[in-house]
Order: sequence, then C-alpha cells, then structure tokens
Amino acid sequence: DQQVKQNSPSLSVQEGRISILNCDYTNSMFDYFLWYKKYPAEGPTFLISISSIKDKNEDGRFTVFLNKSAKHLSLHIVPSQPGDSAVYFCAADYGGSQGNLIFGKGTKLSVKP
Amino acid sequence: NAGVTQTPKFQVLKTGQSMTLQCAQDMNHNSMYWYRQDPGMGLRLIYYSASEGTTDKGEVPNGYNVSRLNKREFSLRLESAAPSQTSVYFCASSEAHRAFVEKLFFGSGTQLSVL
Repeated sequence: DQQVKQNSPSLSVQEGRISILNCDYTNSMFDYFLWYKKYPAEGPTFLISISSIKDKNEDGRFTVFLNKSAKHLSLHIVPSQPGDSAVYFCAADYGGSQGNLIFGKGTKLSVKP
Repeated sequence: NAGVTQTPKFQVLKTGQSMTLQCAQDMNHNSMYWYRQDPGMGLRLIYYSASEGTTDKGEVPNGYNVSRLNKREFSLRLESAAPSQTSVYFCASSEAHRAFVEKLFFGSGTQLSVL
C-alpha cells in the first residue's frame, strides 16, 4: 500500500510558466516532507523540505505547500526553466527508531523552451 | 567535491553469481544507506547504517547483506543474484540518522542487470 503517492507520472510545462507537482500521503504520522530532483544517470539531489508545523516553505523559485487536513503537498516552480526538466520525488519522514524516508514514484517534468 | 562515490556504474550478472557494490563518502557523515529504484517505483530502502559499527534492515532487505567497513565505506553484497534484483542501486549518506532533516546525499547509482 503506497503511503506516498505522486499520481501524475509526467508533466509538461512551457518555459516561464508555473510548474505544480503534487503529492498525497496516507500516514498522518509523517512529520517532515522533502522533495528530491533527479537527472538521468545521476543520483537524486535534495531540493526543498517542509516541516508539518508549517504550511509553506520557499527557496528561490521553489515553494512547497503543505495541507495537513488534506494530506497533500505540492511543489511550485516559478518561473519554470528548461534546466528544471527532471524527475521529482516526493518523500516523507516520521519520528521513529527506524530510519526510512518513504518515496513516491516520481513525476517527470519537461519544461519546453 | 566527490561526495558519495559508487562503484561499479554498470554490472551484468548471471543468476546465482555474487557481487559487492561499493560505496564511499567523503563528507564525514555518520549515516549511510542503500536504496534500490525499479521502473515506475520510488526508491526503497534496502539497509542502512545509522553509525559506524551498526546496520539495520530497511523495507526490502531479503537477498542482500551489508558491511559498514568504516565511517567512509558501506558495501552491499548480493550472495546469489536473482533476476528480481535487476535494478538501479543508490548509496546515500546523511550527517546523522534521525536528524531533524533527513537530508540525504546520493551517489550516481549502479545499474545492475541479472540475467
């Protein structure tokens, strides 16, 4: 049973527009959420995170929004650039003795020039 | 800045063969991890080492063994490879296990095919 769901396998956006990547989760114990970005033939790299005590975190062109009641978070990229074309993974973490970030399946973003 | 280095980058095995994937990090991180990524799937944790001298099972440990050789190195061994272990393997490290931000640094991956 997937605890972290990214229901859109792919997203195509025009350069300069906003990209919105969505992520839903089922486990209310999750208290920290992260987004990773992955280029082909490379490992994922950390992009941005948000604690469950916040509803928004911003870092330059990247903003993550968290709606705890809906168990939903989203990553906004404004403005989108061709270099943003990559696979984006949503991941969730919860307090506990076992170390395990739970990853979604990823969304492939293509930003067209 | 090497970060997390994995070797080899590619490997083809026959069913039943064994091999060890090597991983080293130069960031003085305490914790290290092995993940696998299958097509259409998120990354799944195989094993992790919260600190030097300790290892623990993750979500999908069956068929694998690990060794935390020292603070820098964490290896993953397949004793008898099976086609189901065909995957891309990522090693990762983090400053501290269960730190407030579980921010992982990943290697570039090993693409393993088991025929």
